[in-house]
Amino acid sequence: GAGVSQSPSNKVTEKGKDVELRCDPISGHTALYWYRQSLGQGLEFLIYFQGNSAPDKSGLPSDRFSAERTGGSVSTLTIQRTQQEDSAVYLCASSPAGRVGREQYFGPGTRLTVT
Amino acid sequence: GESVGLHLPTLSVQEGDNSIINCAYSNSASDYFIWYKQESGKGPQFIIDIRSNMDKRQGQRVTVLLNKTVKHLSLQIAATQPGDSAVYFCAENENTDKLIFGTGTRLQVFP
Repeated sequence: GAGVSQSPSNKVTEKGKDVELRCDPISGHTALYWYRQSLGQGLEFLIYFQGNSAPDKSGLPSDRFSAERTGGSVSTLTIQRTQQEDSAVYLCASSPAGRVGREQYFGPGTRLTVT
Repeated sequence: GESVGLHLPTLSVQEGDNSIINCAYSNSASDYFIWYKQESGKGPQFIIDIRSNMDKRQGQRVTVLLNKTVKHLSLQIAATQPGDSAVYFCAENENTDKLIFGTGTRLQVFP
């Protein structure tokens, strides 16, 4: 079956511009996560959606970052007024009900470069 | 806060040798651990997991060892192949909805 997909695969933007990154989770998965991975680093948790519950935004680094999940499926991560330090790979993952916090299936990521 | 810790070392092994990748964790309440493999340009991929009530679990060519006394996790890869070259992450969970990831170890396999 189809895995987690993300678009675009690469995004180059100028400092100060807004960007939107999209994640399509595996169909039926109830949980969706966004992570940021800087070059040569581990995964930094950003935000977590589970069903109809309020999202866990505890990992968002600033108020320039926001995310939505529409209809319990597709999610969009928005970064406003991008800064050079926002350059990283943004990874999305989803988990099936009953395995949340255990199995996470990752997409290929979006590489964001802020010039 | 508590975290799973790895510097990002590079482990170089010869094809056919066994590889051992280590991970130290600090949260003694964690009850579930996972190893992920991330190839260049791809997202992390699940390799193997282990619950805290076990100290060893084997998969195909991989074995995970858990030592709760010293809070140490290791991934052993038998007969390492060029396709095993990647960054390997350990992650822990304390019965919550989130995984905490380590920094990763880069495995390089040379002929």
